[in-house]
Amino acid sequence: DAGVIQSPRHEVTEMGQEVTLRCKPISGHNSLFWYRQTMMRGLELLIYFNNNVPIDDSGMPEDRFSAKMPNASFSTLKIQPSEPRDSAVYFCASSPPGLQGTDTQYFGPGTRLTVL
Amino acid sequence: SQQGEEDPQALSIQEGENATMNCSYKTSINNLQWYRQNSGRGLVHLILIRSNEREKHSGRLRVTLDTSKKSSSLLITASRAADTASYFCAPGGSYIPTFGRGTSLIVHP
Repeated sequence: DAGVIQSPRHEVTEMGQEVTLRCKPISGHNSLFWYRQTMMRGLELLIYFNNNVPIDDSGMPEDRFSAKMPNASFSTLKIQPSEPRDSAVYFCASSPPGLQGTDTQYFGPGTRLTVL
Repeated sequence: SQQGEEDPQALSIQEGENATMNCSYKTSINNLQWYRQNSGRGLVHLILIRSNEREKHSGRLRVTLDTSKKSSSLLITASRAADTASYFCAPGGSYIPTFGRGTSLIVHP
């Protein structure tokens, strides 16, 4: 079975450009998480969707970041405009139906973003 | 959200030795999970222990949970170079678990 799929795996862009990261969760999973990982800040939860609805976006850094989940099998994280401090590895994770906070999260391979 | 705090931040041992890492949290939980992250990869779930369990084993992994102290420990016995990774705990309740900075384990061959 395919795990969580993320694309692209690597992205190099210039400051000011729009960046779109994509995620396909595991089929049947109804929760989706976006994380950002850097050496300085560790693994930060950006946003959490449940049944395609954003439940907690308190971790989204600022208005330059937006996330959507138009259907159960696809989500995007967009940064516009991008800045060098956005350089990080972005992970998407999904989990199956169940009590919030108690289910195993399955992580994708991540997208390594470099903003020059 | 509920964040676990792993300790120590870094651990360096020789192959064959045991590795112990700890996790503390602040509020009541339903369960606690441990994850491993190999360099450059996503986190992988290792083991889940429920709040009514005190100890759980999975292969070379042994997890304990002390809800009165709000702490858990992960023991890796007879470590191997392939165990080199970062290890994270995720306390689970009626909230979204978040991850701490993890324990970075290096196992020298």
